[in-house]
Amino acid sequence: EAQVTQNPRYLITVTGKKLTVTCSQNMNHEYMSWYRQDPGLGLRQIYYSMNVEVTDKGDVPEGYKVSRKEKRNFPLILESPSPNQTSLYFCASSLSRGLNSPLHFGNGTRLTVT
Amino acid sequence: AQTVTQSQPEMSVQEAETVTLSCTYDTSENNYYLFWYKQPPSRQMILVIRQEAYKQQNATENRFSVNFQKAAKSFSLKISDSQLGDTAMYFCAFMKHEGTYKYIFGTGTRLKVLA
Repeated sequence: EAQVTQNPRYLITVTGKKLTVTCSQNMNHEYMSWYRQDPGLGLRQIYYSMNVEVTDKGDVPEGYKVSRKEKRNFPLILESPSPNQTSLYFCASSLSRGLNSPLHFGNGTRLTVT
Repeated sequence: AQTVTQSQPEMSVQEAETVTLSCTYDTSENNYYLFWYKQPPSRQMILVIRQEAYKQQNATENRFSVNFQKAAKSFSLKISDSQLGDTAMYFCAFMKHEGTYKYIFGTGTRLKVLA
């Protein structure tokens, strides 16, 4: 089944403890991206990648890192999480840019930082 | 910078009725893509409909259609014959035609379909 898999689905952690949210897609998509969803703010793009080893900042990259060492994986790294990073996170992928390549989303990761 | 505005945080509609969700955006680009995504309580994001700004004809997908007014920078979503399964958060999204892979989403409209 074609899908984007995010893990974990729920995560509670403490301030400053490094964590990684994994994202993997099995559709051979070139493009991948991370979003955070907050009430009243909608989805905001954190980072995106248009190819292996190519990443770029979205609108809210502060406090996050990503890597794209292989096409299928695009982990999101929080080196020192803070409470303002408590959010719902989504990974998404698409074959290319544009109208005929809509985003395929993972099921989301609910992160709580205390 | 592009912005996307959804001015209706919450809406409700009776089953079988028609509802329109508004979306406006701001851009200096001439060609771009617009999307509506749906997020039901399961929180899975699902593409509803898409439109290329270069095309005048409004997109339609079954009960879902858009009213795209390029000059007014408006991209509203009309849901006809509303069903209980349409209850969800709806997000409008913008992407430039060329260049980056940046998506700009609106703040969402929570739609509740009433039985």
